[in-house]
Amino acid sequence: DAGITQSPRHKVTETGTPVTLRCHQTENHRYMYWYRQDPGHGLRLIHYSYGVKDTDKGEVSDGYSVSRSKTEDFLLTLESATSSQTSVYFCAISERGARDTQYFGPGTRLTVL
Amino acid sequence: DAKTTQPNSMESNEEEPVHLPCNHSTISGTDYIHWYRQLPSQGPEYVIHGLTSNVNNRMASLAIAEDRKSSTLILHRATLRDAAVYYCILNSSGGSQGNLIFGKGTKLSVKP
Repeated sequence: DAGITQSPRHKVTETGTPVTLRCHQTENHRYMYWYRQDPGHGLRLIHYSYGVKDTDKGEVSDGYSVSRSKTEDFLLTLESATSSQTSVYFCAISERGARDTQYFGPGTRLTVL
Repeated sequence: DAKTTQPNSMESNEEEPVHLPCNHSTISGTDYIHWYRQLPSQGPEYVIHGLTSNVNNRMASLAIAEDRKSSTLILHRATLRDAAVYYCILNSSGGSQGNLIFGKGTKLSVKP
């Protein structure tokens, strides 16, 4: 199994609270992705990174920011959590980006009350 | 991004082969066909991928139609552990993001 961990695995927070989710990899892969999964929508891309300090927006980036200060860590921040951001968040990594296989973390279940 | 069409659900008996179909009639020449699966309460897991030729690995086989407008994931002997949602995804070599476009997939149930 690819070395990807996500923390925390579960979190309950209140509306308006800042939240940071962490994805950590030990594979030294260049590309990292944050997806969210909601019933009826499958997985949707939030943000991705193609190198240290290089990030870009995905399909559903509003309300989220990311940072990648070193290869192994990719942080997803909800500056002011809303109930619509209640979801399961998955991190993924790949070595070469487009066309390449992606390896997913175990997910973080976030509930915003 | 090109879209795929899969049945919502399928059932299989344990130890029997399973053929999971996927239609992708608008596939372009640079699109790779990837299959992932997601077991309950887990992240998606890579299964197999191919471009034009049929592919085999330890998990499954991928049969690609000659015109590439459809493909079939073959599980040779289904086990209870294969019960999952299976996603057929077109992954373009021309895309800069490299992100995967997930549809709703096929939910496979395996009966003992």
